[in-house]
Amino acid sequence: QSVLTQPPSVSGAPGQRVTISCTGSTSNLGADYHVHWYQQLPGTAPKLLIYGNTNRPSGVPDRFSGSKSGTSASLAITGLQAEDEATYYCQSYDSSLSTAVFGGGTMLTVL
Amino acid sequence: EVQLVQSGAEMKKPGESLKISCQASGYGFSNYWIGWVRQKPGNGLEWMVILYPGDSDTRYNPAFQGQVTISVDKSVNTAYLQWSSLQASDTALYYCIKLGAGTSGWYIDHWGQGTLVTVSS
Repeated sequence: QSVLTQPPSVSGAPGQRVTISCTGSTSNLGADYHVHWYQQLPGTAPKLLIYGNTNRPSGVPDRFSGSKSGTSASLAITGLQAEDEATYYCQSYDSSLSTAVFGGGTMLTVL
Repeated sequence: EVQLVQSGAEMKKPGESLKISCQASGYGFSNYWIGWVRQKPGNGLEWMVILYPGDSDTRYNPAFQGQVTISVDKSVNTAYLQWSSLQASDTALYYCIKLGAGTSGWYIDHWGQGTLVTVSS
């Protein structure tokens, strides 16, 4: 059971918008720790997608955006493309566990 | 260009020791946290441990404290993860990670290619 809860899977058709939620608690997202998002394509290492709640590293398309409010955060992907099919992970810090933590991951299927 | 190049796959027996490596390049090794993340087959990501080479400050996930040891050799810009006695439950893919800078907390801006460790009798 992950400290940060994500839906196991989401899906969408090409061109659509999808969101992936990440729900935490008062010891992580609710304690104002930042949330970060990673994309893991099949058989590859994860890649940073969003850091510090809303920031995109250089090279990440602006189709990807992040938001955070209270004990929850979301990753939004607009203009869905086949190449977006991957597993997405949120990550933050938990003060009760005294370590960084990941969500369980969400597999995105592009229909 | 930042690169984290990890050592190759390992196949070990329960009870054996192991040390895997991660050679970093393309940035000031002493100035950024470096560490390890575990991914068991078909599972999600687990944060294990990070170390700041500049002063050797080390932060273990309590779940991994005492199970593994992180170290670095600044002379060759390399981080290591070692086990003194492997168990079958250590079978996993281990990623070397570099943390980003700034005020956004602990986030991973670069990942190694992963080292697969298989422990089986």
